Amino acid sequence: EPEVTQTPSHQVTQMGQEVILRCVPISNHLYFYWYRQILGQKVEFLVSFYNNEISEKSEIFDDQFSVERPDGSNFTLKIRSTKLEDSAMYFCASRGDGNTEAFFGQGTRLTVV
Amino acid sequence: QKEVEQNSGPLSVPEGAIASLNCTYSDRGSQSFFWYRQYSGKSPELIMSIYSNGDKEDGRFTAQLNKASQYVSLLIRDSQPSDSATYLCAVDSGAGSYQLTFGKGTKLSVIP
Repeated sequence: EPEVTQTPSHQVTQMGQEVILRCVPISNHLYFYWYRQILGQKVEFLVSFYNNEISEKSEIFDDQFSVERPDGSNFTLKIRSTKLEDSAMYFCASRGDGNTEAFFGQGTRLTVV
Repeated sequence: QKEVEQNSGPLSVPEGAIASLNCTYSDRGSQSFFWYRQYSGKSPELIMSIYSNGDKEDGRFTAQLNKASQYVSLLIRDSQPSDSATYLCAVDSGAGSYQLTFGKGTKLSVIP
């Protein structure tokens, strides 16, 4: 069964460092998302991406965040200068065209120290 | 501010019983409604979607939607210990937006 894959599964970084989280969406999907979940809290929307551009973003997705689809398969989330409060699980999700259902990757646990 | 509310639980049911999970949402423009299951430390796993008023059944799961009351529910029949997880209600933003707003989830514990 096709699935969304994310790497790494766990990333530890020092405050102020840049991190890149990687995702390979399901191959025929066209809509890509990043969500995050701080420990014990709700899953929160960060950004959606379609046709090589951001279609929606939340207030959380400020100038420190960026997304990119550098090739035909990868979708990345970059955090330019990490803060302690960026520590969370980051989930990538994808959705097919004409379909409303989004499927999530297994997540990257980001720990900022 | 779009809100999705769920009882946090824990909801404990004996094995074989029906578990009933509820969710209310604030945005009347929402058109798509989803239930995800999340095991501890894992990612959300889609189990049901529903788009129109009424019931939708898939195996042991039944989703119910009442747009007038802004209410979504999930029934799990013949509950199994493997169903023990947190169940997340998620709602889209409507108007062609598939950005999901999640509830905090209801933790279900099925007692053998």
